Amino acid sequence: DVKVTQSSRYLVKRTGEKVFLECVQDMDHENMFWYRQDPGLGLRLIYFSYDVKMKEKGDIPEGYSVSREKKERFSLILESASTNQTSMYLCASSLGRGLYGYTFGSGTRLTVV
Amino acid sequence: GQQLNQSPQSMFIQEGEDVSMNCTSSSIFNTWLWYKQEPGEGPVLLIALYKAGELTSNGRLTAQFGITRKDSFLNISASIPSDVGIYFCAGPNDAGNMLTFGGGTRLMVKP
Repeated sequence: DVKVTQSSRYLVKRTGEKVFLECVQDMDHENMFWYRQDPGLGLRLIYFSYDVKMKEKGDIPEGYSVSREKKERFSLILESASTNQTSMYLCASSLGRGLYGYTFGSGTRLTVV
Repeated sequence: GQQLNQSPQSMFIQEGEDVSMNCTSSSIFNTWLWYKQEPGEGPVLLIALYKAGELTSNGRLTAQFGITRKDSFLNISASIPSDVGIYFCAGPNDAGNMLTFGGGTRLMVKP
């Protein structure tokens, strides 16, 4: 089975800190995604990547950046964390351009204080 | 871009009851997907629908692709405690190259 691993389940950071959320997948998927999950708002796409060193903005990229130096790893970076970035962050990967094969990680719950 | 509206936002039901939830889109879809997110986990695909009017089952779950292509429905029969979670509908974005998700329906089941 495809496995998507997010490095932390829970993180607490201070306002203004630089925060790295790491995601690794083990099935050679081309596509990787970072979503943010907030109650009632569903999953909102922050950034995605179709290939190494490639990145595209999603629906809510402001305040975030990403890095994909290796195919299996996709990092989400909060340059200067703010309290409104307190949320659940989900990473996903998929093969090719299909819409059905999204595999999600278990999520990182980030609290910014 | 598309907006997906799910209702209800949450449900609290008794074990054994049937559950219905739906999802409507601001535009026509050619694919509808239903995901379930259990507590502490990421969403997992339950059912995929590809054709207007299609009715597809997965155990006690049945999903339908609305004939207008702007809505979809998910029904759960004889609910059990492990049905607890958040159910998301999803469909293609405008470019058709990734998914847009609804706001989710949170289901709670009382034993």
